[in-house]
Amino acid sequence: AQKITQTQPGMFVQEKEAVTLDCTYDTSDPSYGLFWYKQPSSGEMIFLIYQGSYDQQNATEGRYSLNFQKARKSANLVISASQLGDSAMYFCAMREAHQGGKLIFGQGTELSVKP
Amino acid sequence: DVKVTQSSRYLVKRTGEKVFLECVQDMDHENMFWYRQDPGLGLRLIYFSYDVKMKEKGDIPEGYSVSREKKERFSLILESASTNQTSMYLCASRGLLDEKLFFGSGTQLSVL
Repeated sequence: AQKITQTQPGMFVQEKEAVTLDCTYDTSDPSYGLFWYKQPSSGEMIFLIYQGSYDQQNATEGRYSLNFQKARKSANLVISASQLGDSAMYFCAMREAHQGGKLIFGQGTELSVKP
Repeated sequence: DVKVTQSSRYLVKRTGEKVFLECVQDMDHENMFWYRQDPGLGLRLIYFSYDVKMKEKGDIPEGYSVSREKKERFSLILESASTNQTSMYLCASRGLLDEKLFFGSGTQLSVL
């Protein structure tokens, strides 16, 4: 069974608008962490944001926020005020406590920001 | 800043060749990982290592092996390269106190 699911292969957003990238996960481990990474065309993986399963508040990092809905097992990434430089692949990932340090990744969403 | 260095950005090999992909990190991280990335499949874990001389199979270890003789270096070995191993290979590391993984810039391997 897929542990991390990103159902949007590609998305478009107008510059300066907000966009939500979807991510759902599946785990029975009560302790886990959720991550979002950005991969521009250069190929590097850039860490964006992290949410722990016991964190009470949604994580935020600048223009990025993680909409964590534990009961629905979703961890959507919200990018506010999109910029042209936000065009990239975005990956959601999960680490389960009983699995040690390894991350499981979703299929990715390609975001294109239009001027 | 943490630096994870992969020895080659692009690599072209022939079917049946033995291929070595090298990864070095400079932050004394205990954990190291090899992923492959394919369109529509995301990143899939091949092997990982919790410490020197330790290795664990990931989700797709078939056709690969690894070596970690020194803490800073984690090598991925394709014993006999095949065309279905054409892919982007990403190395990553993590310290015990870190949540996130730090990634190298990737090696695009083409097997002809």
